[in-house]
Amino acid sequence: AQSVTQPDIHITVSEGASLELRCNYSYGATPYLFWYVQSPGQGLQLLLKYFSGDTLVQGIKGFEAEFKRSQSSFNLRKPSVHWSDAAEYFCAVGAGGKTSYDKVIFGPGTSLSVIP
Amino acid sequence: NAGVTQTPKFRVLKTGQSMTLLCAQDMNHEYMYWYRQDPGMGLRLIHYSVGEGTTAKGEVPDGYNVSRLKKQNFLLGLESAAPSQTSVYFCASSYLGGDSPLHFGNGTRLTVT
Repeated sequence: AQSVTQPDIHITVSEGASLELRCNYSYGATPYLFWYVQSPGQGLQLLLKYFSGDTLVQGIKGFEAEFKRSQSSFNLRKPSVHWSDAAEYFCAVGAGGKTSYDKVIFGPGTSLSVIP
Repeated sequence: NAGVTQTPKFRVLKTGQSMTLLCAQDMNHEYMYWYRQDPGMGLRLIHYSVGEGTTAKGEVPDGYNVSRLKKQNFLLGLESAAPSQTSVYFCASSYLGGDSPLHFGNGTRLTVT
């Protein structure tokens, strides 16, 4: 079965420091991978996605993620964190039947706090 | 352009009561989803639909029913609410399914006492 793990429940970083959020997936076929961000009391917003091609993908708000098939990982990074980046971050994998990817399965999320 | 709209935003039910959550999207998307969000568990897929008139079970379908009579609407029903169904419910839609980005509503906070 498809699954997504995010080993870090909560991370605290200082403003201006670099950030890496970890994500590991389990899926038998080529995955479609996503990172979403959720600000308090809001729905989820897409940060970036990976479908194929270049394994380093760029997203909005200065985020990037690297797909590593050998490690089944899709870690999210940002070189310099801003206080407004404090939020919940979710990794997700597109999963489904033999010929299509019907479902999107989410990881448990990582809560990011930013110290001024 | 409204995107994905969920109603109501908040609801309190007593155990055993029933209710229906409505999700409407104006993007002509084929795929629609219902998730529940609980602390420490991320978003778990309840039911989804790959087109008008279709529904399928997700990860946690028990205690819920859904209907997709019109392409733009996806209804989530609780026939007999239980305290374990206290959660925040999110509806989402996408153009191509699991290989395209999801567009989310702002959620419905449901409390069952």
